[in-house]
Amino acid sequence: AQSVTQLGSHVSVSEGALVLLRCNYSSSVPPYLFWYVQYPNQGLQLLLKYTTGATLVKGINGFEAEFKKSETSFHLTKPSAHMSDAAEYFCAVSQNTGGFKTIFGAGTRLFVKA
Amino acid sequence: SQTIHQWPATLVQPVGSPLSLECTVEGTSNPNLYWYRQAAGRGLQLLFYSVGIGQISSEVPQNLSASRPQDRQFILSSKKLLLSDSGFYLCAWKTGGSSYNEQFFGPGTRLTVL
Repeated sequence: AQSVTQLGSHVSVSEGALVLLRCNYSSSVPPYLFWYVQYPNQGLQLLLKYTTGATLVKGINGFEAEFKKSETSFHLTKPSAHMSDAAEYFCAVSQNTGGFKTIFGAGTRLFVKA
Repeated sequence: SQTIHQWPATLVQPVGSPLSLECTVEGTSNPNLYWYRQAAGRGLQLLFYSVGIGQISSEVPQNLSASRPQDRQFILSSKKLLLSDSGFYLCAWKTGGSSYNEQFFGPGTRLTVL
């Protein structure tokens, strides 16, 4: 069975500082990995995804994530936080059976201080 | 382009009353459809998914039900709401038959049961 663990339910950074949100996955098959962002009272939207190929994936709003198979990790980073980055972030892995469900982590809420 | 609609946006219902939430997708055919619930401060809980008309899979036993009367229409229902049904309900779609594609989420319905 596949699963996702996000380390830290809350992360706080200062504006302009590095953002690092951690995600580890468990999968018996090569995973398809995703990061989604959710702003208050809105649906989720895709930040980036890894399927195959280059392990460093670039997404929207300056975010990127690196797939590290040896560490079973897919951490999300952004070099310089902006106030508008304050939101909840979900790491996810996609199943290849059973309705192709997506397994989501518990989420990490990012706070950005001025 | 594809769009996903949910309505109503907000709903306040008394305990014991019925519920019907609707989700429609435009611009795609034969999507996989999903209903999620987010309780306050918690992650995403998958409630139901559907891979085709009339095909519903339930993830969590509860007093909710789902139906898919048309290819791009997904309905979440209850005969009698409980206080614990309060939450933010999200509908999502995904291209059918693939695990490497992302999910696209609707704007959500905020349900408060009093």
